[in-house]
Amino acid sequence: NAGVTQTPKFQVLKTGQSMTLQCAQDMNHEYMSWYRQDPGMGLRLIHYSVGAGITDQGEVPNGYNVSRSTTEDFPLRLLSAAPSQTSVYFCASSYSFGWVYGYTFGSGTRLTVV
Amino acid sequence: EDKVVQSPLSLVVHEGDTVTLNCSYEVTNFRSLLWYKQEKKAPTFLFMLTSSGIEKKSGRLSSILDKKELFSILNITATQTGDSAIYLCAVEPENDMRFGAGTRLTVKP
Repeated sequence: NAGVTQTPKFQVLKTGQSMTLQCAQDMNHEYMSWYRQDPGMGLRLIHYSVGAGITDQGEVPNGYNVSRSTTEDFPLRLLSAAPSQTSVYFCASSYSFGWVYGYTFGSGTRLTVV
Repeated sequence: EDKVVQSPLSLVVHEGDTVTLNCSYEVTNFRSLLWYKQEKKAPTFLFMLTSSGIEKKSGRLSSILDKKELFSILNITATQTGDSAIYLCAVEPENDMRFGAGTRLTVKP
Protein backbone atom coordinates (compact mmCIF):
# COMPACT_ATOMS: atom_id res chain seq x y z
CA ASN A 1 0.00 0.00 0.00
CA ALA A 2 2.00 2.97 -1.30
CA GLY A 3 -0.47 5.76 -0.38
CA VAL A 4 -0.12 8.84 -2.57
CA THR A 5 2.79 8.77 -5.00
CA GLN A 6 4.03 11.90 -6.72
CA THR A 7 6.59 12.07 -9.48
CA PRO A 8 9.00 13.61 -10.15
CA LYS A 9 10.38 14.82 -6.80
CA PHE A 10 12.39 17.59 -8.40
CA GLN A 11 12.10 19.34 -11.77
CA VAL A 12 13.71 22.33 -13.43
CA LEU A 13 11.92 23.81 -16.44
CA LYS A 14 12.67 26.64 -18.80
CA THR A 15 10.06 29.35 -19.26
CA GLY A 16 7.52 28.26 -21.84
CA GLN A 17 8.08 24.53 -21.48
CA SER A 18 5.21 22.23 -20.60
CA MET A 19 5.21 19.24 -18.30
CA THR A 20 2.95 16.95 -16.30
CA LEU A 21 3.23 16.27 -12.59
CA GLN A 22 2.01 12.78 -11.82
CA CYS A 23 -0.10 11.77 -8.82
CA ALA A 24 -1.37 8.28 -8.12
CA GLN A 25 -3.08 6.74 -5.12
CA ASP A 26 -3.88 3.13 -4.38
CA MET A 27 -6.40 3.65 -1.58
CA ASN A 28 -9.52 3.87 -3.78
CA HIS A 29 -10.00 7.49 -2.69
CA GLU A 30 -12.67 9.44 -4.52
CA TYR A 31 -11.37 12.91 -3.69
CA MET A 32 -8.03 14.13 -5.06
CA SER A 33 -6.56 17.57 -5.17
CA TRP A 34 -3.46 19.55 -6.08
CA TYR A 35 -1.94 22.28 -3.91
CA ARG A 36 1.00 24.57 -4.27
CA GLN A 37 2.96 25.74 -1.29
CA ASP A 38 4.80 29.04 -1.35
CA PRO A 39 6.69 30.61 1.56
CA GLY A 40 4.41 32.57 3.88
CA MET A 41 1.26 31.64 1.97
CA GLY A 42 0.52 28.15 3.14
CA LEU A 43 -1.04 25.66 0.80
CA ARG A 44 -3.30 26.92 -1.99
CA LEU A 45 -5.71 24.73 -3.89
CA ILE A 46 -5.13 24.53 -7.65
CA HIS A 47 -7.66 21.94 -8.87
CA TYR A 48 -9.61 19.15 -7.30
CA SER A 49 -11.68 16.13 -8.28
CA VAL A 50 -14.52 14.43 -6.42
CA GLY A 51 -14.43 11.35 -8.63
CA ALA A 52 -13.36 9.95 -11.98
CA GLY A 53 -14.45 12.21 -14.81
CA ILE A 54 -15.17 15.17 -12.50
CA THR A 55 -12.77 18.06 -11.94
CA ASP A 56 -13.15 21.62 -10.75
CA GLN A 57 -11.03 24.69 -10.18
CA GLY A 58 -9.63 25.73 -6.86
CA GLU A 59 -8.16 28.98 -5.68
CA VAL A 60 -5.29 29.36 -8.17
CA PRO A 61 -6.12 27.36 -11.34
CA ASN A 62 -4.62 29.62 -14.03
CA GLY A 63 -1.82 28.02 -15.99
CA TYR A 64 -2.71 24.47 -14.91
CA ASN A 65 -4.91 21.73 -16.35
CA VAL A 66 -6.06 18.47 -14.80
CA SER A 67 -7.97 15.38 -15.81
CA ARG A 68 -9.30 12.38 -13.91
CA SER A 69 -9.79 9.48 -16.26
CA THR A 70 -9.35 6.89 -13.50
CA THR A 71 -9.91 6.88 -9.74
CA GLU A 72 -6.22 6.27 -9.16
CA ASP A 73 -4.56 9.01 -11.21
CA PHE A 74 -4.81 12.80 -11.13
CA PRO A 75 -2.08 14.41 -13.26
CA LEU A 76 -1.41 18.15 -13.18
CA ARG A 77 -0.29 19.76 -16.44
CA LEU A 78 1.62 22.99 -16.74
CA LEU A 79 0.81 24.33 -20.17
CA SER A 80 3.56 26.96 -20.54
CA ALA A 81 5.73 27.22 -17.48
CA ALA A 82 6.37 30.63 -15.92
CA PRO A 83 8.77 31.64 -13.12
CA SER A 84 5.71 32.41 -10.96
CA GLN A 85 4.97 28.69 -10.98
CA THR A 86 8.15 27.94 -9.07
CA SER A 87 6.80 26.23 -5.97
CA VAL A 88 6.39 22.98 -4.13
CA TYR A 89 3.38 21.02 -5.35
CA PHE A 90 1.46 18.55 -3.21
CA CYS A 91 -1.14 16.06 -4.29
CA ALA A 92 -3.64 14.92 -1.67
CA SER A 93 -6.43 12.38 -1.55
CA SER A 94 -9.25 11.34 0.74
CA TYR A 95 -12.12 8.84 0.76
CA SER A 96 -14.39 11.80 0.31
CA PHE A 97 -14.31 15.47 0.94
CA GLY A 98 -14.61 15.97 4.67
CA TRP A 99 -13.38 12.48 5.57
CA VAL A 100 -12.85 12.51 9.31
CA TYR A 101 -9.16 11.62 9.16
CA GLY A 102 -8.32 14.40 6.74
CA TYR A 103 -6.16 13.96 3.75
CA THR A 104 -3.25 11.82 2.74
CA PHE A 105 -0.55 13.87 1.08
CA GLY A 106 2.12 12.90 -1.38
CA SER A 107 5.72 13.79 -0.65
CA GLY A 108 5.71 16.78 -2.96
CA THR A 109 7.32 17.94 -6.20
CA ARG A 110 9.76 20.83 -6.05
CA LEU A 111 9.49 22.74 -9.33
CA THR A 112 11.82 25.50 -10.43
CA VAL A 113 11.09 27.52 -13.57
CA VAL A 114 14.03 29.51 -14.90
CA GLU B 1 -13.40 36.07 0.94
CA ASP B 2 -12.46 33.01 2.96
CA LYS B 3 -9.29 33.38 4.98
CA VAL B 4 -7.30 31.56 7.63
CA VAL B 5 -4.77 33.43 9.76
CA GLN B 6 -2.21 31.73 11.97
CA SER B 7 -0.11 33.33 14.66
CA PRO B 8 2.64 33.61 15.47
CA LEU B 9 4.37 32.98 12.14
CA SER B 10 7.48 31.81 13.91
CA LEU B 11 8.25 30.66 17.43
CA VAL B 12 11.45 29.55 19.14
CA VAL B 13 11.28 27.77 22.51
CA HIS B 14 13.40 25.47 24.64
CA GLU B 15 12.71 21.85 25.41
CA GLY B 16 10.15 21.47 28.16
CA ASP B 17 8.32 24.70 27.36
CA THR B 18 4.59 24.77 26.61
CA VAL B 19 3.47 26.49 23.42
CA THR B 20 0.12 27.67 22.10
CA LEU B 21 -0.44 28.13 18.39
CA ASN B 22 -3.38 30.18 17.15
CA CYS B 23 -5.63 29.91 14.13
CA SER B 24 -8.45 32.34 13.33
CA TYR B 25 -10.70 32.02 10.33
CA GLU B 26 -13.43 33.61 8.29
CA VAL B 27 -15.18 31.21 5.96
CA THR B 28 -18.66 30.69 4.66
CA ASN B 29 -20.36 27.36 5.35
CA PHE B 30 -17.79 26.17 7.88
CA ARG B 31 -17.56 22.38 8.10
CA SER B 32 -14.38 21.59 10.02
CA LEU B 33 -10.96 22.81 11.05
CA LEU B 34 -7.86 20.67 10.75
CA TRP B 35 -4.36 20.87 12.14
CA TYR B 36 -1.37 19.40 10.31
CA LYS B 37 2.29 19.02 11.16
CA GLN B 38 4.74 19.49 8.32
CA GLU B 39 8.34 18.48 8.74
CA LYS B 40 10.53 17.78 5.75
CA LYS B 41 7.88 17.10 3.19
CA ALA B 42 4.16 16.37 3.24
CA PRO B 43 1.89 17.51 6.06
CA THR B 44 0.67 14.82 8.41
CA PHE B 45 -2.74 14.95 9.99
CA LEU B 46 -3.06 15.88 13.69
CA PHE B 47 -6.63 16.81 14.55
CA MET B 48 -9.99 17.50 12.98
CA LEU B 49 -12.38 19.75 14.92
CA THR B 50 -16.02 20.27 14.13
CA SER B 51 -17.66 21.13 17.46
CA SER B 52 -16.98 24.03 19.81
CA GLY B 53 -15.53 23.47 23.25
CA ILE B 54 -14.57 19.83 22.83
CA GLU B 55 -10.86 19.32 23.38
CA LYS B 56 -9.04 16.74 21.32
CA LYS B 57 -5.87 15.25 22.75
CA SER B 58 -3.06 13.14 21.41
CA GLY B 59 -0.19 12.70 23.82
CA ARG B 60 1.32 16.09 24.53
CA LEU B 61 -0.76 17.79 21.85
CA SER B 62 -4.27 19.12 22.32
CA SER B 63 -6.58 21.38 20.37
CA ILE B 64 -9.88 23.12 20.84
CA LEU B 65 -12.26 25.04 18.60
CA ASP B 66 -14.37 28.12 19.35
CA LYS B 67 -16.97 28.49 16.59
CA LYS B 68 -18.44 31.61 18.13
CA GLU B 69 -15.17 33.54 18.16
CA LEU B 70 -13.91 31.72 15.01
CA PHE B 71 -10.60 30.44 16.24
CA SER B 72 -8.74 27.35 17.31
CA ILE B 73 -5.64 26.77 19.40
CA LEU B 74 -3.10 23.98 19.31
CA ASN B 75 -1.24 23.36 22.56
CA ILE B 76 1.97 21.41 22.88
CA THR B 77 3.20 20.70 26.42
CA ALA B 78 6.69 19.62 27.45
CA THR B 79 8.03 20.35 23.98
CA GLN B 80 10.78 18.22 22.47
CA THR B 81 13.19 18.88 19.62
CA GLY B 82 11.14 16.48 17.52
CA ASP B 83 8.24 18.91 17.72
CA SER B 84 10.16 21.32 15.50
CA ALA B 85 8.05 21.69 12.36
CA ILE B 86 5.59 23.92 10.57
CA TYR B 87 2.09 23.58 11.98
CA LEU B 88 -0.64 24.21 9.47
CA CYS B 89 -4.24 25.09 10.21
CA ALA B 90 -6.83 24.41 7.52
CA VAL B 91 -10.52 25.14 7.34
CA GLU B 92 -13.01 23.26 5.18
CA PRO B 93 -15.87 25.30 3.74
CA GLU B 94 -17.57 23.57 0.79
CA ASN B 95 -15.53 21.42 -1.61
CA ASP B 96 -12.34 23.16 -0.64
CA MET B 97 -9.72 23.48 2.02
CA ARG B 98 -8.14 26.80 2.98
CA PHE B 99 -4.79 26.77 4.71
CA GLY B 100 -3.14 29.32 6.88
CA ALA B 101 0.47 30.29 6.24
CA GLY B 102 1.60 28.06 9.10
CA THR B 103 3.55 28.58 12.31
CA ARG B 104 7.19 27.55 12.23
CA LEU B 105 8.06 26.10 15.62
CA THR B 106 11.70 25.58 16.58
CA VAL B 107 12.44 23.72 19.80
CA LYS B 108 16.00 24.12 21.04
CA PRO B 109 17.70 21.57 23.32
